[in-house]
Parts: sequence; C-alpha cells; structure tokens
Amino acid sequence: EIVMTQSPATLSVSPGERATLSCRASQNVKSNIAWYQHKPGQAPRLLIFGAYLRATGVPARFSGSGSGTEFTLTISSLQSEDFAVYYCQQHNNWPLTFGGGTKVEIK
Amino acid sequence: EVHLLESGGDLVQVGGSLRLSCAASGFSFSTYEMIWVRQAPGKGLEWVSYISSSGSSSGSTTYYADSVSGRFTISRDNAKNSLFLQMNSLRVEDTALYYCVRDGRAGVAGTVRRFDYWGQGTLVTVSS
Repeated sequence: EIVMTQSPATLSVSPGERATLSCRASQNVKSNIAWYQHKPGQAPRLLIFGAYLRATGVPARFSGSGSGTEFTLTISSLQSEDFAVYYCQQHNNWPLTFGGGTKVEIK
Repeated sequence: EVHLLESGGDLVQVGGSLRLSCAASGFSFSTYEMIWVRQAPGKGLEWVSYISSSGSSSGSTTYYADSVSGRFTISRDNAKNSLFLQMNSLRVEDTALYYCVRDGRAGVAGTVRRFDYWGQGTLVTVSS
C-alpha cells in the first residue's frame, strides 16, 4: 500500500497570503494524484487531478505541481472560503490512499 | 446536473448487516466507474471499494480495502442508476460517514481518473 504523508498537519495563514501544502508518496505515483477540499458538513470537493489539472469551476488561485513522490498544492491568495481541510490522494495503484490532511486555519 | 444520493445508513449492533444505496442522476451512470469512501468521526478519508463501469459479459471488476475485504460487497444496477454496498459482520471501526463517488473519466482507460462528484454521505454507526 502506498502511504501518503501530508505536511504540515495545520497551517495558520492570514487572508490574502499564500499557502503551500505538501504531500509525499511512499512510492512513485507518477502524476496520479488529486487534491480535495473538505469543509465540515459538506462533501469533499475535487480541486486538482492528474497532479496539476484544475477541476471544473475551481478558481485559478488553486494550483498543483509535482510528480513521482513529491507534490504541492498552492493557494496563491487565501480567501475566507478557503479555510478547510485539504487531502491528497493517489490513484496510481490499488488501494487508493489518502493523506492524513492539512487543516488550513485563519491566523 | 449530476447528483448522488446515499441512503441506508443506520445504527446497528456489532456483527450486524446493512445495505447502503446510492441513487445517481444527471449522467449516464452505466458509463462511469464508482467508488465508496468513508470518514470515521474525527478521522480522515478512507477508500472502501471500487466497481468498474457497465463491464463486459463476465461482469464488473471490483476492488476492496483490506479492512473490509470479505465482509463488504459492492454492486450496481445500471437499469436503476444505483450503486450498492452490502456490509456484513460489521465492526465498531466501520462507524463512519459513507460517501458514494463518481470517477469522472467515464470509463476511458488511459485517461486520468478524477473523482469529481461526491454524495452528501450516509452515516453508519456500529454499536457494541
């Protein structure tokens, strides 16, 4: 099983600032990862797939990068609605596996 | 508009069974691969099971997480646009919100998977 490790566990950011979230895979997953935003009481929302492709309707301030084992989600200028938990997920191998999540909170 | 609506979650005793359903609408259900994902209280997301799209004459391909293999069975009824998860021998650690999720690549092998639509979830509580 591929282990996905996200860091940091919590990120304190002021509105308007840049947020950089990291995800590391225990094995090469090529570009087969996705990022999700999850808010309490809501379904997770797909942000990025294929490591850097933005899902439909996702604002351009969200961007993904990386390949192999190291990946990054960047939020260029945090808006109030961006405070949430973010998960990475690999879909290169079964079982699909998620990272433990990064909580982005207001500083 | 794509819509996924889960149902069937309930409070059940250890060792009991439940059958979750997911009603799909707004897209050609038979064309899409589907998965179940769960979230235990206070925990992260965990993939549970996968089923291929309409499949060949030999049936659908299915995969399971080790934690549920042998106890859970995923199935689909394309005529009724529905996805199911039969859950047997339930354990306390199966307590979670269960989500039905679509793989938006429309079953096209070689294209990038994209788990683009999620239902709101159905809550399963297993009590000892």
